[in-house]
Amino acid sequence: EAGVTQFPSHSVIEKGQTVTLRCDPISGHDNLYWYRRVMGKEIKFLLHFVKESKQDESGMPNNRFLAERTGGTYSTLKVQPAELEDSGVYFCASSLLAGDSEQYFGPGTRLTVT
Amino acid sequence: GENVEQHPSTLSVQEGDSAVIKCTYSDSASNYFPWYKQELGKRPQLIIDIRSNVGEKKDQRIAVTLNKTAKHFSLHITETQPEDSAVYFCAATTGTYKYIFGTGTRLKVLA
Repeated sequence: EAGVTQFPSHSVIEKGQTVTLRCDPISGHDNLYWYRRVMGKEIKFLLHFVKESKQDESGMPNNRFLAERTGGTYSTLKVQPAELEDSGVYFCASSLLAGDSEQYFGPGTRLTVT
Repeated sequence: GENVEQHPSTLSVQEGDSAVIKCTYSDSASNYFPWYKQELGKRPQLIIDIRSNVGEKKDQRIAVTLNKTAKHFSLHITETQPEDSAVYFCAATTGTYKYIFGTGTRLKVLA
């Protein structure tokens, strides 16, 4: 079974530019999550999709971040315009069920904003 | 708000010794506690989890204990090996979809 995949693995952009991260969940997983880890800190929840619907985006830092999951398959996370504090590792995870079930993580996208 | 504290941030042990990582959570409604291991350059992977109706769970060299009264849970690794070297994250959830993670522990097993 293929795991969660993320693209790109690394991205270096200048402040003010736009970046789009992509996540392909495990096939059949309706639940998709985005998390972010800023250096040395906790992995922090950003938002949760069930199929194509946003269930909770309370963790999104501000309106420069936009997540979509058209068709309920892959998801994108766009940062526009990027700021220095957006640097970190962005993880995507998916699960078959919500609640107390295992979330399968992707390898992450390391974003560096210079 | 919901919070999980994790200690220590770094831990070095000699191969064959035991390692213990401790976490404390704030939301008393938390009922599921997964532990993830992230090796260098790889994805976080679930290694063990425990639910609130259980006090201890063991899987070979790894065990997790939960004290609901104190809102503590701990990861115990016995007979450590070099391949146990990684960053370990604890998490807590109230049974919704949102995991609240600790800040991670970098474990180094010295050969």
